[in-house]
Amino acid sequence: DAKTTQPPSMDCAEGRAANLPCNHSTISGNEYVYWYRQIHSQGPQYIIHGLKNNETNEMASLIITEDRKSSTLILPHATLRDTAVYYCSGGSNYKLTFGKGTLLTVNP
Amino acid sequence: GAVVSQHPSRVICKSGTSVKIECRSLDFQATTMFWYRQFPKQSLMLMATSNEGSKATYEQGVEKDKFLINHASLTLSTLTVTSAHPEDSSFYICSARDPGGSNQPQHFGDGTRLSIL
Repeated sequence: DAKTTQPPSMDCAEGRAANLPCNHSTISGNEYVYWYRQIHSQGPQYIIHGLKNNETNEMASLIITEDRKSSTLILPHATLRDTAVYYCSGGSNYKLTFGKGTLLTVNP
Repeated sequence: GAVVSQHPSRVICKSGTSVKIECRSLDFQATTMFWYRQFPKQSLMLMATSNEGSKATYEQGVEKDKFLINHASLTLSTLTVTSAHPEDSSFYICSARDPGGSNQPQHFGDGTRLSIL
């Protein structure tokens, strides 16, 4: 499993884009990058995942660098309800390893 | 989307009690489920992988006789914390692998907060 590094906290203004970085320099060629978020006292919520190509869904966009050593999760228009701890994980769905994540605080 | 239900959501009990936590996949069959533990202000730590019809695989440092896992059907896995003590107080979360294909995401339950007095 790839070890991941994320900033411990970030702030974002409501309505602005939130860009959350993740380093996963030890990721192997067949490991995907998964992003989850956890709101206090709840289970993690799946956001998005990808292997090489950039991905977009109704929640977010995922930008993966060409060398796959890092990625960025983009919430295009952050709302107050997006305040949560965001985890990136490099692995497979057979085994996910969670780092300490980034506490994103969306401010009004 | 795939839904995972966990029950109970909260348990408070006396030291020495055994506590069973259920994890169900509601709209899909899950041959593999995972059990995590999360202490306050810390990340999720994988405890074990639950495999339907076979023995669970435990992570290093997790006592299999302390945390009994049963995965008797394709929609249900249970975690029993035997003779629980205050240091077992934690947030226990299960997940199930999406059967939609390889590398599909895991889906998580809402967790069980266990408090041992």
